[in-house]
Amino acid sequence: ETGVTQTPRHLVMGMTNKKSLKCEQHLGHNAMYWYKQSAKKPLELMFVYNFKEQTENNSVPSRFSPECPNSSHLFLHLHTLQPEDSALYLCASSQLGTSGGPGGTDTQYFGPGTRLTVL
Amino acid sequence: LAKTTQPISMDSYEGQEVNITCSHNNIATNDYITWYQQFPSQGPRFIIQGYKTKVTNEVASLFIPADRKSSTLSLPRVSLSDTAVYYCLVGDRRNDKIIFGKGTRLHILP
Repeated sequence: ETGVTQTPRHLVMGMTNKKSLKCEQHLGHNAMYWYKQSAKKPLELMFVYNFKEQTENNSVPSRFSPECPNSSHLFLHLHTLQPEDSALYLCASSQLGTSGGPGGTDTQYFGPGTRLTVL
Repeated sequence: LAKTTQPISMDSYEGQEVNITCSHNNIATNDYITWYQQFPSQGPRFIIQGYKTKVTNEVASLFIPADRKSSTLSLPRVSLSDTAVYYCLVGDRRNDKIIFGKGTRLHILP
């Protein structure tokens, strides 16, 4: 148990459906992330929210729409997905260093992921 | 962000010490080296982080030579449950993102 929960754990959807993935962190962190992991590919960073502000959109198609209403919750809204979007979607959170100085990258805590299948 | 290179896969046997080396020739002065472990269908889990020389915790040791262009994750006396993908990352906390490479798929045999 990492303190990051994701729902649902499994999702099957058609290409015309609209669904949302939910992530919640109970760690008091100030940054949250969405990653995509396709079969036998590296983790791909999709979105970063730092203090609820989106600071990174890694060229993700508009059919993926993130929402971060507060520092504890993160959503990924999905619509008109393609079969190639089938993957494991992982949420993570971290407490970004605020000292302003250098230091090790802040540890990211990952949720268990949502296994998405697009038919 | 510095690029890392790791072996794609490794096999070892239970009870052995396993060393996984990562190359990061372009590591920046302020970058730290971090290793994560990922089991199938789970998110990665932090193992260890270091800047130079040697770091040890209850799970692993991390060896970093003086030039910092590589690092070695050492897992003592592995068991079957250590079968996983291990990722080496380099970065500085002032970046709010980290990049995962392909990792090393470690397979422990009985």
